[in-house]
Amino acid sequence: GESVGLHLPTLSVQEGDNSIINCAYSNSASDYFIWYKQESGKGPQFIIDIRSNMDKRQGQRVTVLLNKTVKHLSLQIAATQPGDSAVYFCAEKGNNNDMRFGAGTRLTVKP
Amino acid sequence: KAGVTQTPRYLIKTRGQQVTLSCSPISGHRSVSWYQQTPGQGLQFLFEYFSETQRNKGNFPGRFSGRQFSNSRSEMNVSTLELGDSALYLCASSRSSGQETQYFGPGTRLLVL
Repeated sequence: GESVGLHLPTLSVQEGDNSIINCAYSNSASDYFIWYKQESGKGPQFIIDIRSNMDKRQGQRVTVLLNKTVKHLSLQIAATQPGDSAVYFCAEKGNNNDMRFGAGTRLTVKP
Repeated sequence: KAGVTQTPRYLIKTRGQQVTLSCSPISGHRSVSWYQQTPGQGLQFLFEYFSETQRNKGNFPGRFSGRQFSNSRSEMNVSTLELGDSALYLCASSRSSGQETQYFGPGTRLLVL
């Protein structure tokens, strides 16, 4: 069946480095994609979104890239900080309008 | 603007019981979605309500139900609880349905013994 998935379950980076978190999706009808950050004991926090008519969107220290050809989504975090340590989820909204989440990637930032 | 609030934050029930969870969306938001989060299955969509009507439903048994009130507050109910229902139940609100950003509450952690 169709699914949203992440390439890596864990990612460890040095403070100050850039982080790249990847996500693969298989529903070509999905037209809205979101990245969430979830810290321990909290609900997911919206980071950035992108619609299918775009291939790049930038926020504060974050950039989302969408490659519809290979159905790939990535989140880039510039100058990663200890406060960025969390689990990151990609999510897609498909043609039936329900939100489907990937498994999540745990980002650990080493001081 | 206050965020999404969920009550209670923690709950312990026994098998066979039923439970009702509550969610108050961000002021002005009319869409409320519910999710179940477990270590094994991740975040799974339960259902979405918009203007007191269920718009979408995930692949969960009929023991899981919900409703939305005229003030957009929402409740979800789980009847005949099973051990596997132990999870973090998250509520998210958005201004409307469709391509709208969803903002999550802190969740209700349910433990079924």
